Amino acid sequence: QSALTQPPSASGSPGQSVTISCTGTSSDVGGYNYVSWYQQHPGKAPKLMIYEVSKRPSGVPDRFSGSKSGNTASLTVSGLQAEDEADYYCTSYAGSNSVLFGGGTKLTVL
Amino acid sequence: QVQLVQSGAEVKKPGASMKVSCKASGYTFTGYYMYWVRQAPGQGLEWLGWINPNSGDTNYAQKFQDWVTLTRDTSISTAYMELSRLKSDDTAVYYCARAYTVTNPHFDYWGQGTLVTVSS
Repeated sequence: QSALTQPPSASGSPGQSVTISCTGTSSDVGGYNYVSWYQQHPGKAPKLMIYEVSKRPSGVPDRFSGSKSGNTASLTVSGLQAEDEADYYCTSYAGSNSVLFGGGTKLTVL
Repeated sequence: QVQLVQSGAEVKKPGASMKVSCKASGYTFTGYYMYWVRQAPGQGLEWLGWINPNSGDTNYAQKFQDWVTLTRDTSISTAYMELSRLKSDDTAVYYCARAYTVTNPHFDYWGQGTLVTVSS
């Protein structure tokens, strides 16, 4: 199983919106609505931001939203803030009780 | 509150084994699966496997099937990850993370991470 494909980097100015993609196959992203997204600041553990494609855990700002079309999932961060600068990872259930991670995207707030 | 507290950093020589612990508190340990994930320096996240603390059942990523062993001690709400025949490219931060199910795996709590350095 190959890792899910994410762009290595993304950027936006404060207040703008940025979308990060996560591309898999019909055996993972496209086959299940079990995509989640994590935010990781340097030296910290990842934090769950989105699960089941578009659901937000309690405490996650509604500026973060998720969607999916076919084999590609997306995370959109609206109204960018300085503290959103971090690495973002997607994951997907991949069948046979396994999980795949994306390679990660470094989000820079300009 | 839910906490996953991992053991401290380790330095190991190539060929050795290492065992990282993850002590859970604030929830029913046997009610959630425990996943293990690693992150090499400057790299992304990589799944190693999971354990069902209730049954002891395990599932390993294909890459790690022959050299990772996951165990648990329910009496002290602690999960363990043992990696054998260490190589330099096993140098990484190792995380435990809990998930409610394995068919909808999303990780709402993570340990703080354990840095394992493999060097001669």
